[in-house]
Amino acid sequence: NAGVTQTPKFQVLKTGQSMTLQCAQDMNHEYMSWYRQDPGMGLRLIHYSVGAGITDQGEVPNGYNVSRSTTEDFPLRLLSAAPSQTSVYFCASSPSGYSYNEQFFGPGTRLTVL
Amino acid sequence: GQQVMQIPQYQHVQEGEDFTTYCNSSTTLSNIQWYKQRPGGHPVFLIQLVKSGEVKKQKRLTFQFGEAKKNSSLHITATQTTDVGTYFCAGPQGGQGNLIFGKGTKLSVKP
Repeated sequence: NAGVTQTPKFQVLKTGQSMTLQCAQDMNHEYMSWYRQDPGMGLRLIHYSVGAGITDQGEVPNGYNVSRSTTEDFPLRLLSAAPSQTSVYFCASSPSGYSYNEQFFGPGTRLTVL
Repeated sequence: GQQVMQIPQYQHVQEGEDFTTYCNSSTTLSNIQWYKQRPGGHPVFLIQLVKSGEVKKQKRLTFQFGEAKKNSSLHITATQTTDVGTYFCAGPQGGQGNLIFGKGTKLSVKP
């Protein structure tokens, strides 16, 4: 199993550009989520999904969209990039939307918005 | 809203010294998880505590869950350079598998 994979690893955008961060898992996990990590801020939840076709907002959803058309994939879209979205983005998955499950994190995407 | 706080934010130790990080929640938790993130890496699950007063050990690491299930601690005995990284605690939020993370304690170990 590859676990949770994310592409790209690094990305530089200009303000106003859009892009999609890819996330995939091959563990047949129902729950998937996106976090952003900023210095001194820990991990903050952007969006999450408890199954294919179901998504919901987390703590910091503004400026981001998600969709979940398959169990495996959970892409994160930046609609119009802003410098405040410069961050490290982690995708995570767990077997189900039940809080007793550990979360498996991808390697992250380091995004810089100029 | 629900908050999870960790102290200290940073800890610098000499190799061989002990290290402890503390986690406090504003609400009672059904469980608490701990993760480790190496520099430049991603968070990796260490352990989950569920029962009030629970203590679990992993080699030199000891994890405790408070009696009121609102606080937890991670203690590392005789730190090694391989222990370097940021340690996060996380508790459930919202009941749908979401976690709320503390801001982490960054541990550096001087050889």
